[in-house]
Amino acid sequence: QVQLQESGPGLVKPSETLSLTCFVSGASINNDYWSWIRRPAEKGLEWIGRIHSSGSANFNPSLQRRVTMSVDKSRNQFSLKLNSVTAADTAVYYCARGYFRSAGRVYFDYWGQGTLVTVSS
Amino acid sequence: QSALTQPASVSGSPGQSITIACTGTSSDVGGNNYVSWYQQHPGKAPKLMIHDVTNRPSGISDRFSGSKSGNTASLTISGLQAEDEADYYCSSSTTGDLWVFGGGTKLTVL
Repeated sequence: QVQLQESGPGLVKPSETLSLTCFVSGASINNDYWSWIRRPAEKGLEWIGRIHSSGSANFNPSLQRRVTMSVDKSRNQFSLKLNSVTAADTAVYYCARGYFRSAGRVYFDYWGQGTLVTVSS
Repeated sequence: QSALTQPASVSGSPGQSITIACTGTSSDVGGNNYVSWYQQHPGKAPKLMIHDVTNRPSGISDRFSGSKSGNTASLTISGLQAEDEADYYCSSSTTGDLWVFGGGTKLTVL
């Protein structure tokens, strides 16, 4: 059973950096793509970006100037950093497996439960 | 990239069928067969319901079906049940091997 679990601070001050980690169990993080997705209150889902275990990544153009992602294969986890945050970055952040065109999985099949991050002073 | 367009809300009575439309462009919905749909209940993680336009993952009821015509994809739920009340999101691969979601549709079972 593949499980993903987000962790990180629930409160971040404006202009600072949001940092989250997603631990994966039940599957190896190797040779796969892993994404971050968020849902601001009263709004829809927004894809933030994805990272391959090799370190190759793609980002949402609207966020790419502020986003970095990394992978820690020794710990089977991957991370998100979003800098210069504002109140508009307040959202529930999800990690998910996907998408991986070459593997025939062009969708998100496993998701974490989500973690609420509030940007406020 | 712009979000795919979905109706904000739809409703139906138990036993009825409803369809949620998802409109994109030739750069996303109309340009590939990688449309997927997700169900999200309050406080829960999204759940994959349909992938590759028409395919249901194992364990998903055959009451859920997907289709596509041109730049518009659709999710149909037949035999509505109270447990189907949730938010539904369409999504698609887009130009540059990026990803885009729809704005979401709130389904109310009357």
